[in-house]
Amino acid sequence: AQSVTQLDSHVSVSEGTPVLLRCNYSSSYSPSLFWYVQHPNKGLQLLLKYTSAATLVKGINGFEAEFKKSETSFHLTKPSAHMSDAAEYFCAVSGSRNSGNTPLVFGKGTRLSVIA
Amino acid sequence: DTEVTQTPKHLVMGMTNKKSLKCEQHMGHRAMYWYKQKAKKPPELMFVYSYEKLSINESVPSRFSPECPNSSLLNLHLHALQPEDSALYLCASSQSGAVETQYFGPGTRLLVL
Repeated sequence: AQSVTQLDSHVSVSEGTPVLLRCNYSSSYSPSLFWYVQHPNKGLQLLLKYTSAATLVKGINGFEAEFKKSETSFHLTKPSAHMSDAAEYFCAVSGSRNSGNTPLVFGKGTRLSVIA
Repeated sequence: DTEVTQTPKHLVMGMTNKKSLKCEQHMGHRAMYWYKQKAKKPPELMFVYSYEKLSINESVPSRFSPECPNSSLLNLHLHALQPEDSALYLCASSQSGAVETQYFGPGTRLLVL
């Protein structure tokens, strides 16, 4: 079984300050982990993914995430928030097993607000 | 090009109507997906097509009928929907399976009256 817990439903930061969005996962298989962003009335855009290569993953728009197996975490960070980062962020997990890959499982989402 | 297109962008239909949602990708991906997303909720998987064959149906009511005419196209046929089916319907594609990165379309906003 696989699951994702996004620890904060809403995060508010000031423009120019760091962003931290927290994600913990549970997986019975070798996990692949993803962060997606969704702006209002838009589809999901991939920010970054972890697929058992480097544990520190760099994505688009200055975002990065670190896979920590011992903590079963995959937190998303950005050094300096921009107004355009305000959106909904989803962490997701998929697993690789002998019988094939498991479907993508999403967390409940974290709404990021950026204050001018 | 990592684009998935969906038409229409918006759709309003009555409970007795029949309509179809369309999704297209030209990335050579062999897996395509339909998701349903309610407001302030994560996407929920409905169907998965792998190599043009239905591989996953997440117990979706029969008023939703998927179709994959070829490797680039995915349709979702709608019939006798209920108001609670109003949602954003997202299409996605990936190389060949769920672990591969899924690329999402912009979605179709459906309102059932």
